Amino acid sequence: GQNIDQPTEMTATEGAIVQINCTYQTSGFNGLFWYQQHAGEAPTFLSYNVLDGLEEKGRFSSFLSRSKGYSYLLLKELQMKDSASYLCAVRPVYNQGGKLIFGQGTELSVKP
Amino acid sequence: SQTIHQWPATLVQPVGSPLSLECTVEGTSNPNLYWYRQAAGRGLQLLFYSVGIGQISSEVPQNLSASRPQDRQFILSSKKLLLSDSGFYLCAWSEPRTGATQYFGPGTRLTVL
Repeated sequence: GQNIDQPTEMTATEGAIVQINCTYQTSGFNGLFWYQQHAGEAPTFLSYNVLDGLEEKGRFSSFLSRSKGYSYLLLKELQMKDSASYLCAVRPVYNQGGKLIFGQGTELSVKP
Repeated sequence: SQTIHQWPATLVQPVGSPLSLECTVEGTSNPNLYWYRQAAGRGLQLLFYSVGIGQISSEVPQNLSASRPQDRQFILSSKKLLLSDSGFYLCAWSEPRTGATQYFGPGTRLTVL
């Protein structure tokens, strides 16, 4: 089957660093995506990993280990506006319309 | 640049009534299109996807259906809504290539009473 696990919620302090983990077990692997979703809004794309290693984009970085079925999203210099749900999604195969399997999301609360 | 539109933004419907949600994409050709549903406090559940006009793949059995009458138009329908159909409906598009990112529309919040 297909399974993607993330912590349900996390709390961090403004200015700090937080790491959100994602583990997956899927029938195949053709890429892993991270999305940010503010309450009541649509998800917005943050990052994409298909090869092992770290992808950095400003304050956000994403890491992938395919052998371990593991990824994390690292948020640096946290700001209040980073309070949101963070969704991990895996593309198991490149056909079938490129569909994604989503985790349940991690609700991040940033405190002053 | 590409944009994706959904309407209506919010909808309140009685149980047993029909449903039609529309999604259109601009600025791209032959996109892959997707319908997701998100229940309160839950992740995204893929309902349908389409790789071309008239081509619809269903992911979960339900009383919903989808159609793609034009290249950049994707419609989600139901003949009779159930209470369990309440949720946040999101349309997404991607380019038809390996590794393409999915981009989401603003969503429709549906409440069935």
